[in-house]
Amino acid sequence: QVQLVQSGAEVKKPGASVKVSCKASGYSFSTYAMHWVRQAPGQRLEWMGWINAGNGNTQYSQQLQGRVTITRDTSASTAYMELSSLRSEDTAVYYCARVRAGTGSFDYWGQGTLVTVSS
Amino acid sequence: EIVLTQSPGTLSLSPGERATLSCRASQSVAGSYFGWYQQKPGQAPRLLIYGASYRATGIPDRFSGSGSGTDFTLTITRLEPEDFAVYYCHHYGSSPQFGQGTKVEIK
Repeated sequence: QVQLVQSGAEVKKPGASVKVSCKASGYSFSTYAMHWVRQAPGQRLEWMGWINAGNGNTQYSQQLQGRVTITRDTSASTAYMELSSLRSEDTAVYYCARVRAGTGSFDYWGQGTLVTVSS
Repeated sequence: EIVLTQSPGTLSLSPGERATLSCRASQSVAGSYFGWYQQKPGQAPRLLIYGASYRATGIPDRFSGSGSGTDFTLTITRLEPEDFAVYYCHHYGSSPQFGQGTKVEIK
Protein backbone atom coordinates (compact mmCIF):
# COMPACT_ATOMS: atom_id res chain seq x y z
CA GLN A 1 0.00 0.00 0.00
CA VAL A 2 1.07 3.56 -0.67
CA GLN A 3 2.70 5.25 2.29
CA LEU A 4 4.38 8.60 2.80
CA VAL A 5 6.37 8.78 6.03
CA GLN A 6 7.75 12.12 7.13
CA SER A 7 10.56 13.02 9.49
CA GLY A 8 9.89 14.12 13.05
CA ALA A 9 9.02 17.41 14.67
CA GLU A 10 11.55 20.24 14.66
CA VAL A 11 12.13 23.32 16.80
CA LYS A 12 14.15 26.07 15.15
CA LYS A 13 15.23 29.60 15.97
CA PRO A 14 14.31 32.54 13.76
CA GLY A 15 16.69 32.85 10.83
CA ALA A 16 17.57 29.16 10.80
CA SER A 17 16.67 26.58 8.14
CA VAL A 18 14.73 23.34 8.39
CA LYS A 19 14.73 20.30 6.12
CA VAL A 20 11.83 17.85 6.21
CA SER A 21 11.93 14.46 4.51
CA CYS A 22 9.14 12.37 3.02
CA LYS A 23 9.88 8.70 2.31
CA ALA A 24 7.55 7.03 -0.19
CA SER A 25 6.76 3.35 -0.48
CA GLY A 26 4.24 1.14 -2.23
CA TYR A 27 4.51 2.75 -5.66
CA SER A 28 7.02 3.80 -8.30
CA PHE A 29 8.40 7.01 -6.79
CA SER A 30 9.71 8.51 -10.03
CA THR A 31 6.38 8.37 -11.86
CA TYR A 32 4.44 10.75 -9.60
CA ALA A 33 4.79 14.40 -8.64
CA MET A 34 5.23 15.25 -4.97
CA HIS A 35 3.84 18.41 -3.47
CA TRP A 36 4.37 20.15 -0.16
CA VAL A 37 1.53 21.84 1.71
CA ARG A 38 1.65 23.54 5.09
CA GLN A 39 -0.94 24.50 7.68
CA ALA A 40 -0.34 27.11 10.34
CA PRO A 41 -2.36 26.73 13.55
CA GLY A 42 -6.04 27.34 12.83
CA GLN A 43 -5.33 28.34 9.24
CA ARG A 44 -6.16 27.00 5.80
CA LEU A 45 -3.91 24.67 3.85
CA GLU A 46 -1.22 26.53 1.91
CA TRP A 47 0.49 25.06 -1.13
CA MET A 48 4.26 25.48 -1.11
CA GLY A 49 5.57 23.83 -4.25
CA TRP A 50 6.16 20.57 -6.06
CA ILE A 51 8.77 18.40 -7.69
CA ASN A 52 8.59 16.09 -10.65
CA ALA A 53 10.14 13.06 -9.00
CA GLY A 54 11.25 11.74 -12.37
CA ASN A 55 13.27 14.64 -13.77
CA GLY A 56 13.63 16.81 -10.67
CA ASN A 57 11.90 19.87 -12.12
CA THR A 58 10.37 22.10 -9.48
CA GLN A 59 7.85 24.91 -9.09
CA TYR A 60 7.34 27.03 -5.99
CA SER A 61 4.71 29.29 -4.52
CA GLN A 62 5.40 32.94 -5.30
CA GLN A 63 5.02 33.77 -1.61
CA LEU A 64 7.83 31.39 -0.67
CA GLN A 65 10.03 31.72 -3.78
CA GLY A 66 13.61 32.15 -2.73
CA ARG A 67 13.15 30.54 0.70
CA VAL A 68 11.88 27.07 -0.20
CA THR A 69 13.78 24.32 -1.98
CA ILE A 70 12.33 20.92 -2.86
CA THR A 71 14.63 18.08 -3.86
CA ARG A 72 14.44 14.33 -4.18
CA ASP A 73 16.64 11.24 -3.96
CA THR A 74 15.20 8.63 -6.30
CA SER A 75 17.48 5.90 -4.94
CA ALA A 76 15.90 6.42 -1.51
CA SER A 77 12.38 7.19 -2.80
CA THR A 78 12.48 10.30 -0.66
CA ALA A 79 11.51 13.90 -1.25
CA TYR A 80 12.82 16.80 0.80
CA MET A 81 11.57 20.28 1.57
CA GLU A 82 13.97 22.87 2.94
CA LEU A 83 12.76 26.24 4.19
CA SER A 84 15.29 28.93 5.05
CA SER A 85 15.28 32.25 6.92
CA LEU A 86 12.61 30.94 9.24
CA ARG A 87 10.19 33.33 10.92
CA SER A 88 7.60 32.77 13.63
CA GLU A 89 4.93 32.80 10.90
CA ASP A 90 6.49 29.63 9.48
CA THR A 91 5.34 27.67 12.53
CA ALA A 92 3.08 25.08 10.96
CA VAL A 93 2.49 21.43 10.18
CA TYR A 94 4.19 20.57 6.90
CA TYR A 95 2.77 17.81 4.69
CA CYS A 96 4.01 16.03 1.62
CA ALA A 97 1.31 14.83 -0.75
CA ARG A 98 1.30 12.74 -3.90
CA VAL A 99 -0.68 13.89 -6.92
CA ARG A 100 -3.18 11.46 -8.42
CA ALA A 101 -2.18 11.14 -12.07
CA GLY A 102 -4.29 13.22 -14.45
CA THR A 103 -6.51 14.81 -11.81
CA GLY A 104 -4.40 17.23 -9.85
CA SER A 105 -5.79 15.86 -6.61
CA PHE A 106 -3.64 14.84 -3.65
CA ASP A 107 -4.52 11.21 -3.12
CA TYR A 108 -1.96 10.29 -0.47
CA TRP A 109 -0.53 12.47 2.29
CA GLY A 110 2.27 12.15 4.77
CA GLN A 111 1.41 12.24 8.46
CA GLY A 112 2.68 15.80 8.82
CA THR A 113 5.72 17.33 10.50
CA LEU A 114 5.33 20.10 13.05
CA VAL A 115 7.93 22.82 12.68
CA THR A 116 8.02 25.34 15.50
CA VAL A 117 9.97 28.57 15.08
CA SER A 118 10.69 30.21 18.39
CA SER A 119 13.49 32.16 20.00
CA GLU B 1 -4.33 33.92 -8.57
CA ILE B 2 -7.61 32.12 -8.05
CA VAL B 3 -9.25 32.58 -4.64
CA LEU B 4 -11.60 29.91 -3.27
CA THR B 5 -14.24 31.05 -0.79
CA GLN B 6 -16.20 28.47 1.18
CA SER B 7 -19.55 28.91 2.88
CA PRO B 8 -20.75 28.64 5.49
CA GLY B 9 -17.80 28.87 7.85
CA THR B 10 -19.49 26.52 10.30
CA LEU B 11 -22.39 24.16 9.82
CA SER B 12 -24.16 22.86 12.96
CA LEU B 13 -26.13 19.72 12.21
CA SER B 14 -27.31 16.51 13.85
CA PRO B 15 -26.35 12.99 12.79
CA GLY B 16 -28.64 11.81 10.01
CA GLU B 17 -29.13 15.31 8.59
CA ARG B 18 -28.03 16.49 5.17
CA ALA B 19 -25.01 18.79 4.81
CA THR B 20 -24.51 21.11 1.86
CA LEU B 21 -21.15 22.87 1.59
CA SER B 22 -20.34 25.49 -1.04
CA CYS B 23 -17.15 26.71 -2.66
CA ARG B 24 -16.96 29.67 -5.00
CA ALA B 25 -13.94 30.43 -7.19
CA SER B 26 -12.94 34.00 -8.04
CA GLN B 27 -12.82 32.99 -11.72
CA SER B 28 -13.96 30.03 -13.75
CA VAL B 29 -11.90 26.90 -13.14
CA ALA B 30 -11.67 23.50 -14.77
CA GLY B 31 -13.83 21.00 -12.93
CA SER B 32 -11.39 18.26 -13.80
CA TYR B 33 -8.92 19.83 -11.38
CA PHE B 34 -11.33 20.57 -8.53
CA GLY B 35 -11.59 18.51 -5.38
CA TRP B 36 -12.74 18.25 -1.78
CA TYR B 37 -10.86 17.06 1.32
CA GLN B 38 -11.87 16.11 4.84
CA GLN B 39 -9.61 16.87 7.78
CA LYS B 40 -10.03 15.73 11.37
CA PRO B 41 -8.04 17.19 14.29
CA GLY B 42 -4.45 16.04 14.33
CA GLN B 43 -4.76 14.24 11.00
CA ALA B 44 -3.68 14.90 7.44
CA PRO B 45 -6.36 15.84 4.92
CA ARG B 46 -8.12 12.98 3.17
CA LEU B 47 -9.21 13.15 -0.47
CA LEU B 48 -12.98 12.77 -0.83
CA ILE B 49 -13.84 14.06 -4.29
CA TYR B 50 -11.72 14.67 -7.38
CA GLY B 51 -12.67 16.00 -10.79
CA ALA B 52 -15.53 17.88 -9.07
CA SER B 53 -17.78 14.82 -8.84
CA TYR B 54 -15.78 11.58 -8.62
CA ARG B 55 -15.48 9.85 -5.27
CA ALA B 56 -11.99 8.81 -4.28
CA THR B 57 -11.25 5.19 -3.44
CA GLY B 58 -13.09 3.99 -0.35
CA ILE B 59 -15.27 7.06 0.05
CA PRO B 60 -18.89 6.20 0.97
CA ASP B 61 -21.63 7.11 -1.49
CA ARG B 62 -23.25 9.51 0.99
CA PHE B 63 -20.58 11.97 -0.20
CA SER B 64 -21.17 13.60 -3.57
CA GLY B 65 -19.70 16.53 -5.43
CA SER B 66 -21.18 18.72 -8.12
CA GLY B 67 -20.68 22.02 -9.87
CA SER B 68 -18.74 23.72 -12.62
CA GLY B 69 -17.22 27.05 -13.55
CA THR B 70 -17.15 29.10 -10.34
CA ASP B 71 -19.61 27.25 -8.09
CA PHE B 72 -19.05 23.84 -6.56
CA THR B 73 -20.92 21.88 -3.90
CA LEU B 74 -20.14 19.00 -1.57
CA THR B 75 -23.18 17.16 -0.25
CA ILE B 76 -23.27 14.64 2.57
CA THR B 77 -26.71 13.05 2.41
CA ARG B 78 -26.92 11.57 5.94
CA LEU B 79 -24.30 12.66 8.43
CA GLU B 80 -22.58 9.88 10.33
CA PRO B 81 -20.73 10.61 13.62
CA GLU B 82 -17.38 10.23 11.82
CA ASP B 83 -18.29 12.94 9.27
CA PHE B 84 -17.98 15.81 11.75
CA ALA B 85 -14.78 17.46 10.58
CA VAL B 86 -13.41 20.36 8.53
CA TYR B 87 -13.86 20.25 4.77
CA TYR B 88 -11.67 22.06 2.25
CA CYS B 89 -12.21 22.68 -1.43
CA HIS B 90 -9.18 22.73 -3.70
CA HIS B 91 -8.25 23.75 -7.19
CA TYR B 92 -5.12 22.42 -8.84
CA GLY B 93 -3.99 25.17 -11.14
CA SER B 94 -0.59 26.69 -11.86
CA SER B 95 -0.65 27.73 -8.20
CA PRO B 96 -2.87 25.25 -6.32
CA GLN B 97 -5.26 26.87 -3.88
CA PHE B 98 -7.44 25.73 -0.99
CA GLY B 99 -10.54 27.28 0.47
CA GLN B 100 -10.57 28.46 4.07
CA GLY B 101 -12.60 25.44 5.18
CA THR B 102 -16.09 24.66 6.46
CA LYS B 103 -16.39 23.10 9.90
CA VAL B 104 -19.24 20.61 10.23
CA GLU B 105 -20.01 20.35 13.93
CA ILE B 106 -22.51 18.41 15.99
CA LYS B 107 -25.55 20.45 16.88
